[in-house]
Formats: sequence, C-alpha cells, structure tokens
Amino acid sequence: DQQVKQNSPSLSVQEGRISILNCDYTNSMFDYFLWYKKYPAEGPTFLISISSIKDKNEDGRFTVFLNKSAKHLSLHIVPSQPGDSAVYFCAAQQTNDYKLSFGAGTTVTVRA
Amino acid sequence: EAQVTQNPRYLITVTGKKLTVTCSQNMNHEYMSWYRQDPGLGLRQIYYSMNVEVTDKGDVPEGYKVSRKEKRNFPLILESPSPNQTSLYFCASSLSRLNEKLFFGSGTQLSVL
Repeated sequence: DQQVKQNSPSLSVQEGRISILNCDYTNSMFDYFLWYKKYPAEGPTFLISISSIKDKNEDGRFTVFLNKSAKHLSLHIVPSQPGDSAVYFCAAQQTNDYKLSFGAGTTVTVRA
Repeated sequence: EAQVTQNPRYLITVTGKKLTVTCSQNMNHEYMSWYRQDPGLGLRQIYYSMNVEVTDKGDVPEGYKVSRKEKRNFPLILESPSPNQTSLYFCASSLSRLNEKLFFGSGTQLSVL
C-alpha cells in the first residue's frame, strides 16, 4: 500500500501562472519530505525539501508547504515556465529509517 | 563531473537469463539504492546500502540481488528475470542516509520477454 500519494496524475498550467502540486501521506512517522523533478530520458533531480519542524520552505520560484495535521504537503511554482514541464515526485522519509517512499508522480505541462 | 552512472541504458532479455545492471558513483557517497519506476506506482525502492558490505531490502526486493564490495559500485543482479521485472530502473546515491538529497543515474529500461 502506497504511503505517499499524488492523486493528480497531470496538471496543465499557462506560462506565468501558479502551479500547485499536492501530496498526501499516511505514515505519521515521516518527518522529512522532498520533491524531485524528472525530465524524459533522465533521472530525477532534487528540487526542494522540508523538515517536519517547519511548515514552509522557499527556494526561488519553488515553495513547499507542509500541513502535518492533515498529512499533506504541496509544491507551488510561481511563475510557471515552459522549462518546468516535467514529472514531479513527492517523497517522504522517516529519519531513523533508510527507506524513502515516493508518490506516483504528477506530470506538469506549462502552456505558452 | 559528479555523477551516478548506470549501464546499460537499454536492455532486452529473455526470461531466466541472468543479468547485471551496473551502477557507479564518483562522489564518495555512503548511501546507494535502487528503484524501479512503473506507471501509476512511482518509484519503488528495491534495495539500499548504507556503506560497503551493508545492504538491506527495500519495498520490492523479490527477484533481485545486490552487492556493495566497493564504496563506488552497487550492481543490481537479476538471477532469473521474469516479465514482471520489465521496468525502468534507477540507481541513486547520497552522502548519508539522513535527510540527504539523492543523486540519480539516467536510468536503465529493461524489457524481459
């Protein structure tokens, strides 16, 4: 059973607008969360992360929000650019466990 | 250039024919792991290694073996491949296991006929 869920397989957004990607998790022991971005024919690359002691982390156009009580996190991309078209994976980890659990991914398409 | 190198990029084989997918990193990372990506399931961890000679099962280890004899290399072995192991495989490494971002290889597309 998947412990990290990305319920939207795809998202289409106009260039310059905000992209919001959602991720839910079921394991309350998760305390570190990451987002990875993947282009076709390439491996995923790290985008941004957040620890459970925070509720927001920002890096340029990318902001991740964490709502621990709802077991929900989201990634905001503002403004969206054509180069942001990719698959985005949410991942979660428990600090005392070596395993990393990934969601199924959300394909983002940024329209010109 | 810091990187994780997987070989081969593409592999077509037949059921039961043993194969090895190699993975090497040049960043002196302690932690390495293997994932498979399948549609609708995302990335699922197969095996991971915390350091040389230390490995453990991930979420989907059945049908796979790994070894970590050197820090830089972490090969994935399929002793008797079956069609349900047709997938896109990624090797990844990080400096340590704790809250560190992973560096991924470019992937190996495996088809088992």
